[in-house]
Amino acid sequence: RKEVEQDPGPFNVPEGATVAFNCTYSNSASQSFFWYRQDCRKEPKLLMSVYSSGNEDGRFTAQLNRASQYISLLIRDSKLSDSATYLCVVTPNTNAGKSTFGDGTTLTVKP
Amino acid sequence: DAGVIQSPRHEVTEMGQEVTLRCKPISGHDYLFWYRQTMMRGLELLIYFNNNVPIDDSGMPEDRFSAKMPNASFSTLKIQPSEPRDSAVYFCASSLSRYRSGANVLTFGAGSRLTVL
Repeated sequence: RKEVEQDPGPFNVPEGATVAFNCTYSNSASQSFFWYRQDCRKEPKLLMSVYSSGNEDGRFTAQLNRASQYISLLIRDSKLSDSATYLCVVTPNTNAGKSTFGDGTTLTVKP
Repeated sequence: DAGVIQSPRHEVTEMGQEVTLRCKPISGHDYLFWYRQTMMRGLELLIYFNNNVPIDDSGMPEDRFSAKMPNASFSTLKIQPSEPRDSAVYFCASSLSRYRSGANVLTFGAGSRLTVL
């Protein structure tokens, strides 16, 4: 089993749709959680950190469920520019350098 | 800040040749990471440094790969000899110390796309 698993996708949605991605992790010692966005042939970039209480940034909402060891990302009112691959990232507190990336979920938003 | 700077952006070489990839991390970042990305295997951590010291190189595929960080502003990843299966995008990333605000947030360079023929 992979340390970090994501919905394989791809997700193809129309503009304005709401879409949700899930990610599960196996290391219960994990302490830091993030969503990164990667555009085609570009580097991954931080989208948002994920906090225990959940957090929102505009149209994006991230949730963390420690008991079930999963995190989620919700995108509301999706835009064409949201088309990208979304990577779930988990870092254990005991080893700050050992961030593990999921394989990513590809989102295509269509007009 | 110029961000993480990698060179070359593209490299095409023949099997057996030596390849050297370079990275300049963000000034003040304590951690430096080398990742490799392929369609088949996704994003894999090869090695990372803390304060110029290699901490974990368990992701380095084999002895053909080596990485150095002679000072806080420069690192290299070397492949010698290169093989076609090494073809991938190699990303360098840096981050702040775990004890500082923004810890564990990785900033990636634009990547070095390697093709070994």
